[in-house]
Amino acid sequence: DVKVTQSSRYLVKRTGEKVFLECVQDMDHENMFWYRQDPGLGLRLIYFSYDVKMKEKGDIPEGYSVSREKKERFSLILESASTNQTSMYLCASSRHRGYTFGSGTRLTVV
Amino acid sequence: KQEVTQIPAALSVPEGENLVLNCSFTDSAIYNLQWFRQDPGKGLTSLLLIQSSQREQTSGRLNASLDKSSGRSTLYIAASQPGDSATYLCAVDNNNDMRFGAGTRLTVKP
Repeated sequence: DVKVTQSSRYLVKRTGEKVFLECVQDMDHENMFWYRQDPGLGLRLIYFSYDVKMKEKGDIPEGYSVSREKKERFSLILESASTNQTSMYLCASSRHRGYTFGSGTRLTVV
Repeated sequence: KQEVTQIPAALSVPEGENLVLNCSFTDSAIYNLQWFRQDPGKGLTSLLLIQSSQREQTSGRLNASLDKSSGRSTLYIAASQPGDSATYLCAVDNNNDMRFGAGTRLTVKP
């Protein structure tokens, strides 16, 4: 089975910090995605990537950037964290057979 | 833009009941439909994937159906157990553009 690993389950960061959320998948999937999940708003797509060094904006890219230097790794970057970026962040990968999600990172910005 | 609706938003049943969760979507040109389970504070676990050419999929006590023409899917859970308590999410993939419903929060009482 495909495994998607997110490096941290819980993170607490200060306002203005640069934050890196890492995601690694182990089954050679081309497609990788970053979502955030908030109560009452559901899952919203931040960024996605179909290949190495390729990235596309999702529905809510403002305040975020991404990096995909290797096929298995997709990083989400908060250039200057703000309190409204406190959320659950979910990474997923896919290759024609549905999406596989990581276990999520609960980020709190104080 | 694809919109996905799940009804009911919450459901509470006694252990042993059979139950049906509903999902509807507005654009029938889908690639596949996927049902996920999410426990509190955790990531999404894939339960069933139905390709657009399929009508249903089964796994253990779970059965998911798909009617593309009417824009509907159902998740049937047989003989529910307290361990089935979780939020169930329906997601529709229009070729790597995955849209999620808001979920049904299921509680199975012993």
